Amino acid sequence: AQTVTQSQPEMSVQEAETVTLSCTYDTSESDYYLFWYKQPPSRQMILVIRQEAYKQQNATENRFSVNFQKAAKSFSLKISDSQLGDAAMYFCAYTVKSSGDKLTFGTGTRLAVRP
Amino acid sequence: ETGVTQSPTHLIKTRGQQVTLRCSSQSGHNTVSWYQQALGQGPQFIFQYYREEENGRGNFPPRFSGLQFPNYSSELNVNALELDDSALYLCASNRDWGTDTQYFGPGTRLTVL
Repeated sequence: AQTVTQSQPEMSVQEAETVTLSCTYDTSESDYYLFWYKQPPSRQMILVIRQEAYKQQNATENRFSVNFQKAAKSFSLKISDSQLGDAAMYFCAYTVKSSGDKLTFGTGTRLAVRP
Repeated sequence: ETGVTQSPTHLIKTRGQQVTLRCSSQSGHNTVSWYQQALGQGPQFIFQYYREEENGRGNFPPRFSGLQFPNYSSELNVNALELDDSALYLCASNRDWGTDTQYFGPGTRLTVL
């Protein structure tokens, strides 16, 4: 069974600084995708970034980037120049292409941003 | 382009009752998935519909059922509500089966008393 583990229940970062959120996953599949979703207090799950497992290059989206280590099954999210609006729950998620994109989520990391 | 919408926003029911939650997929999306998110947890996959057919189910009992309509909107029905059914129910759509990125609605908060 596929599992996603987020070992940091809570993290805190000073505004304008950089923070890294950790995620590990377990799978025997070769064709899969990894995601980071953000869930602010409004509850809407917002896609932050996605990574195809077959791509060696790490995905980036503006201030957000990932460190994808396929052999180690690690997928961390780096947020640069943190802003107050980045405060939210962050979920790491995994899907296998052959499964029709059903997502398996981790338990989340709550990120606080200090002004 | 219209995003994923869900109704109602909040709902309070009593144990043993039945509830129907609704979801409108993002424009052009034919695949919809439902997730249950208990307080303090990550979402858990309930089931998925693709072109009006159930296309996979998570570890949820048969009293959780669904429908997808020709316009690709969807319903989640829960019968014989239990206290543990209290959760945020999220609907997500993607453009087509196997196109990997799901877009979520704002969710329906269900409270069972």
